[in-house]
Amino acid sequence: DTGVSQDPRHKITKRGQNVTFRCDPISEHNRLYWYRQTLGQGPEFLTYFQNEAQLEKSRLLSDRFSAERPKGSFSTLEIQRTEQGDSAMYLCASSLAGGRGRFRTDTQYFGPGTRLTVL
Amino acid sequence: SQQGEEDPQALSIQEGENATMNCSYKTSINNLQWYRQNSGRGLVHLILIRSNEREKHSGRLRVTLDTSKKSSSLLITASRAADTASYFCATDVRDSSYKLIFGSGTRLLVRP
Repeated sequence: DTGVSQDPRHKITKRGQNVTFRCDPISEHNRLYWYRQTLGQGPEFLTYFQNEAQLEKSRLLSDRFSAERPKGSFSTLEIQRTEQGDSAMYLCASSLAGGRGRFRTDTQYFGPGTRLTVL
Repeated sequence: SQQGEEDPQALSIQEGENATMNCSYKTSINNLQWYRQNSGRGLVHLILIRSNEREKHSGRLRVTLDTSKKSSSLLITASRAADTASYFCATDVRDSSYKLIFGSGTRLLVRP
């Protein structure tokens, strides 16, 4: 257990429905990242937050995707009008900029992921 | 797009043997990290090596980094069945985000 939690762990939805995932990072971490992983591939970066500010979004993050981190703590990732191609594992990670020791900068700690299946 | 490429894509060894996985990447980096992922689970951080380091050890793990060749290797000594997993290298690009770019991974099977 890395200390990063994600909810739900699994989500099955029908095409066209909206889904929302939640990530709770390690409490003192100020950076939060979202990645997507498809079967047999490594994770791909989607977006990241420094505190509550969303500082970068990948081109993978279409207009149907939106992420928030309203108080600089937990984050949500919403997918609107889901498509079958959205089926993947959505991973959240957190890190502490300027941290030391076990929670040093650069090391990202990942949650268990949310597996999305779009039928 | 994936920056790193792991080699081999799959590796099957006997318990007690050593496992070596290689990773190549394309752009300048601040550091390179190795992660382990058990089937359908999240990623577990194994080790981080900075661009100014050449070798690092952690328990049964040994990581090397050659920035001139843009490559890294992960050696697991005296492997155990519990080491069966996918292993990914990840690099962070030289910007302020520290976002990670992963390879496609090496699937390691350790036979008891």
